[in-house]
Amino acid sequence: AQRVTQPEKLLSVFKGAPVELKCNYSYSGSPELFWYVQYSRQRLQLLLRHISRESIKGFTADLNKGETSFHLKKPFAQEEDSAMYYCALSIGSGYSTLTFGKGTMLLVSP
Amino acid sequence: NAGVTQTPKFQVLKTGQSMTLQCAQDMNHEYMSWYRQDPGMGLRLIHYSVGAGITDQGEVPNGYNVSRSTTEDFPLRLLSAAPSQTSVYFCASRMTVRLGSPLHFGNGTRLTVT
Repeated sequence: AQRVTQPEKLLSVFKGAPVELKCNYSYSGSPELFWYVQYSRQRLQLLLRHISRESIKGFTADLNKGETSFHLKKPFAQEEDSAMYYCALSIGSGYSTLTFGKGTMLLVSP
Repeated sequence: NAGVTQTPKFQVLKTGQSMTLQCAQDMNHEYMSWYRQDPGMGLRLIHYSVGAGITDQGEVPNGYNVSRSTTEDFPLRLLSAAPSQTSVYFCASRMTVRLGSPLHFGNGTRLTVT
């Protein structure tokens, strides 16, 4: 079965520092990968999907099939980036379920 | 569009009571699902549905039932609540035909079982 690993429960950085939230997955085929963000007591919302190769709120993520990773990066963290971040994997479009990692809490201090 | 709507927002149950968490979406999504969110466990899939009349079990289905009589609604039933079911429950839907289509989440229901 597919699996998503986010090795850090908590990542604490200062404002302006670079951020990298790690995500590794186990699946031998071609996955769809997503990053979701959950601000305090709000619903989960999509941040990025690998197929779009987009940058949202300064965050980027590149799918590395060789390393089976989809790390989330931002060069300069802002206090408003403080949130819980979840990496999610789907092994097929549409009808396939999404498997989530356990999440990483990002705290950005002033 | 309202998106995904969940009710109630909060609920307290006693052990052994039953209840239904409601979920409705107005985006004509075929795929709907229920997750529970627990500290240190992330989101775990309870049940999902790929269309009206079709449901299947996820990772943690025990103690929960679902039905999908219409495209819009996907209620989650707790048959006999247990303290282990204290959690935050999220309903989510997805358009099925597009590659990379994301899940759209509801606001969540915070359930406490005493």
